[in-house]
Amino acid sequence: NAGVTQTPKFQVLKTGQSMTLQCAQDMNHNSMYWYRQDPGMGLRLIYYSASEGTTDKGEVPNGYNVSRLNKREFSLRLESAAPSQTSVYFCASRFYRDNQPQHFGDGTRLSIL
Amino acid sequence: AQTVTQSQPEMSVQEAETVTLSCTYDTSESDYYLFWYKQPPSRQMILVIRQEAYKQQNATENRFSVNFQKAAKSFSLKISDSQLGDAAMYFCAYRSAGGGADGLTFGKGTHLIIQP
Repeated sequence: NAGVTQTPKFQVLKTGQSMTLQCAQDMNHNSMYWYRQDPGMGLRLIYYSASEGTTDKGEVPNGYNVSRLNKREFSLRLESAAPSQTSVYFCASRFYRDNQPQHFGDGTRLSIL
Repeated sequence: AQTVTQSQPEMSVQEAETVTLSCTYDTSESDYYLFWYKQPPSRQMILVIRQEAYKQQNATENRFSVNFQKAAKSFSLKISDSQLGDAAMYFCAYRSAGGGADGLTFGKGTHLIIQP
């Protein structure tokens, strides 16, 4: 009964370091998403993947890259971390049918010093 | 681009009372979905209720119901018989319809406090 699994749950980086956040879902969902949540804000879309092999930019893609490794996995990479990227990151997935909601992972709290 | 506005940063209600959280949105689309998500201190994002714009009937899930006013672009959440476990951040969210994989657009959230 795992749903959407994110690793790690917490991470501290130094400015300039690189990091990959991992996300995997076991619900056979087609679409996957990465969001960030900053204090006092709702979640904002970074990137999404409609299906295996495709990725698209969301509202705040700068400083990030993504890889849809297969149907189950969608990773988010910070090539050169900056303090402005300190945030809580959520991965989500959704079945392709239009009326299906997104299911979220538990989030990764990332601090960049 | 769509926007979602939650004008109440914080709401407080007595246990067992009813509370309504407000949400308005701006869109030029005619077909879309609206959601309310609950985020307790554990940080999980939990779907509370959803509404399809083409349905006139307001969605209901046990103690949770919505008042969907399409012309006014309003989507409020009513929580009846409030319980201590309802204390959380509540986010209103919008998603376009039409078969795409569009992500959600969220409001900034309302912090709901339940007074015992």
